[in-house]
Amino acid sequence: SQLAEENPWALSVHEGESVTVNCSYKTSITALQWYRQKSGEGPAQLILIRSNEREKRNGRLRATLDTSSQSSSLSITATRCEDTAVYFCATHTGYQNFYFGKGTSLTVIP
Amino acid sequence: DTTVKQNPRYKLARVGKPVNLICSQTMNHDTMYWYQKKPNQAPKLLLFYYDKILNREADTFEKFQSSRPNNSFCSLYIGSAGLEYSAMYLCASSRDTGQLYFGEGSKLTVL
Repeated sequence: SQLAEENPWALSVHEGESVTVNCSYKTSITALQWYRQKSGEGPAQLILIRSNEREKRNGRLRATLDTSSQSSSLSITATRCEDTAVYFCATHTGYQNFYFGKGTSLTVIP
Repeated sequence: DTTVKQNPRYKLARVGKPVNLICSQTMNHDTMYWYQKKPNQAPKLLLFYYDKILNREADTFEKFQSSRPNNSFCSLYIGSAGLEYSAMYLCASSRDTGQLYFGEGSKLTVL
């Protein structure tokens, strides 16, 4: 069974709007990562948030982590067309294993 | 250079034939991974090498083989391809930072 799951499955926003993708996970983690995959490319890491952190920022991106509810969120402000991609959360259990969810497909409309 | 390279980018194989996919990285990363990605599914971890030690997931143990002749290269080998092996195969590498660096993927189509 899946150890991480993003929701919603897909969403679309107009350029300039803000958007939030959520992630729930089922295992104890040392860190949770957010990745973005654009069409024709491999996934690229956006943010790594460790289990003792509650929030992490990277430019227009903000990730939160709540280990008590085993959930995380990724927010993007002032979205741009180039933010159109699939967004994955990935759990890291402290070994070399990283487990991904199915991803959220985000479309930013010009 | 944070590039992970995969070859071939596209592979067409007949059912029952072997498939060999190659991955390389020049970042001196100690761990290299192979994931299988099918449409609308999560990237599925198949196996990874930590240095010279191969770790395979329990449910894919017998379906995939791999070798890592040196730190920079890692292969994924399918001995007899079935239709269910059609997928994108993603190679990634990491060091102790916990960040995965992915290649662009190898798209395998089995006919």
